[in-house]
Amino acid sequence: DVVVTQSPDSLAVSLGERATINCKSSQSVLYSANNKYNLAWYQQKPGQPPKLLIYWASTRESGVPDRFIGSGSETDFTLTISSLQAEDVAVYYCQQYYSAPRAFGQGTKVEI
Amino acid sequence: QVQLQESGPGLVKPSQTLSLTCTVSGGSISSDNYYWSWIRQPAGKGLEWIGRIHTSGTTYYKSSLKSRVTISIDTSKNQFSLKVSSVTAADTAVYYCASFTTSGTYFRPEDYWGRGTLVTVSS
Repeated sequence: DVVVTQSPDSLAVSLGERATINCKSSQSVLYSANNKYNLAWYQQKPGQPPKLLIYWASTRESGVPDRFIGSGSETDFTLTISSLQAEDVAVYYCQQYYSAPRAFGQGTKVEI
Repeated sequence: QVQLQESGPGLVKPSQTLSLTCTVSGGSISSDNYYWSWIRQPAGKGLEWIGRIHTSGTTYYKSSLKSRVTISIDTSKNQFSLKVSSVTAADTAVYYCASFTTSGTYFRPEDYWGRGTLVTVSS
């Protein structure tokens, strides 16, 4: 099974500053059929289901602000919030969907 | 746009079977390019992917839960279901149903989610 590990568990960032979250997979999640990394990022606010932000490691879902930037390759990936806004306070999860069973990272809590 | 709604008992006794249903609207559960997932989240903890099913009936489960979990599909009701047997307090969680699509060549992550339903295991 492909396992994903996030770091840090939590971070505090000032408004307007950059937040960076890391995700490491236990093996490459490069899907050869389309040469894309099958790594997604979700945002979850209290009492809500997770919201898909980014898929294929760097493609923003429709309607997601461009301050959310996904990057990385092979086994190391990063979610960057370029200028933190108050509404970005949430827990962020990475997910590998390269192979079943799919798996989520343990989550990173972003606070101001 | 697909909408999903979980339903089922909010309280289950230890050693019994947890049963939940997800009703799909805005799309057909029989669509060949959709997969249907269950994910759970204990209070204050992270997300755990439980398993998924396709309209063909093919399933895949998380290894550590495989012996206790069954996911099934009812195309006549546009629903899919989750059963977890021999539950303990560790199965207490918010349970989400979700969906993802495939083009046939590649897959997307879960992009439609239900609001979740809390299931408590307690006597």
